[in-house]
Amino acid sequence: AQSVTQPDIHITVSEGASLELRCNYSYGATPYLFWYVQSPGQGLQLLLKYFSGDTLVQGIKGFEAEFKRSQSSFNLRKPSVHWSDAAEYFCAVVRANAGGTSYGKLTFGQGTILTVHP
Amino acid sequence: KAGVTQTPRYLIKTRGQQVTLSCSPISGHRSVSWYQQTPGQGLQFLFEYFSETQRNKGNFPGRFSGRQFSNSRSEMNVSTLELGDSALYLCASNTGRTGELFFGEGSRLTVL
Repeated sequence: AQSVTQPDIHITVSEGASLELRCNYSYGATPYLFWYVQSPGQGLQLLLKYFSGDTLVQGIKGFEAEFKRSQSSFNLRKPSVHWSDAAEYFCAVVRANAGGTSYGKLTFGQGTILTVHP
Repeated sequence: KAGVTQTPRYLIKTRGQQVTLSCSPISGHRSVSWYQQTPGQGLQFLFEYFSETQRNKGNFPGRFSGRQFSNSRSEMNVSTLELGDSALYLCASNTGRTGELFFGEGSRLTVL
């Protein structure tokens, strides 16, 4: 069965510092990979996605992620964190080329809560 | 383009009651998925509907059910509510051609 692991439950950084959130997946097939962000009381917003091609993908709000197949990782990075980035971040995976009927069934990691100190 | 709309946003029920939650997907999206989010279990997949047919179902008891209408709007129902059903229920839509989901803001259910 597929699984997604986010090793860090809670990360605290200072505003302006760099950020890296880790994500490892276990999947028997080629995956599509995603990072979502959730502010308190809100739904999930897609930050970026990896389907194929260039393993370094750019997303919204200055975030990027690198897909490393050999390490089964898809880590999220940002060079300089802003106070507004404080939120919970989720890594997710779905089977690639599953056909339209399966794309709605994402497997999510447990999430990483990001706290930003001024 | 309007996003995914979920109603109601907040509701309080008592054990044994039933509840119906509604989701209107983004126009043109034919796939609707439902997720339950709790602090202990995280985000768990409930079910997915595509063109009015349930195509995937998560590991939840039969008290959890759903349906999709011809206009792609979806409802989920939870019968005989238990305290453990208290959660944020999230609906997401997608075109059915990619894995990119668009989420609503959720319905926060509290069971007393």
